Amino acid sequence: DAGVIQSPRHEVTEMGQEVTLRCKPISGHDYLFWYRQTMMRGLELLIYFNNNVPIDDSGMPEDRFSAKMPNASFSTLKIQPSEPRDSAVYFCASSPPRRFSTGELFFGEGSRLTVL
Amino acid sequence: KNEVEQSPQNLTAQEGEFITINCSYSVGISALHWLQQHPGGGIVSLFMLSSGKKKHGRLIATINIQEKHSSLHITASHPRDSAVYICAVRRTGAQKLVFGQGTRLTINP
Repeated sequence: DAGVIQSPRHEVTEMGQEVTLRCKPISGHDYLFWYRQTMMRGLELLIYFNNNVPIDDSGMPEDRFSAKMPNASFSTLKIQPSEPRDSAVYFCASSPPRRFSTGELFFGEGSRLTVL
Repeated sequence: KNEVEQSPQNLTAQEGEFITINCSYSVGISALHWLQQHPGGGIVSLFMLSSGKKKHGRLIATINIQEKHSSLHITASHPRDSAVYICAVRRTGAQKLVFGQGTRLTINP
């Protein structure tokens, strides 16, 4: 199995630009999560989907952040406009339903975002 | 106070030493996870525990539900074990994981 695939691995952009991060979950996984990792705050859940439907977006920091999951094999996390404080590593993770009751997750390699 | 506290925050040891990383939590949980993150790399799930002990190779994870405490042990440590180890818990009745701040382990040859 290919695992969770994220792109881009690295993104450097200027403040005010739009950033789009992409994720392909493991086939057959019904849950998809977006996490942000910073030195100060560690790992934080931003949003998660079940069967392509957003279930909990309470971790999305503000309206500049949006996430979509148009189908079972693709999700995007968009930041518009980006700010330097958005610099972080963004992880996508997926989970199959039979294991979700205890929360086992399969993580992608992460997308490292730097906003100048 | 964080719901999940790890100790130590940083640990440096010599190759071959026995390593212990601790995780304490303050809420009722349905499961506890130990994750590993290598520098610049992704996150790998090492263990998922709800009781007792699990072993995989040189790694052992234990949990004491009554004391709300878990430990991750590494026997015969090796430089390739150098990574950040993260404890995460799933609160009873909740869907989200709550993460500790991580323990940065460095094993010197």
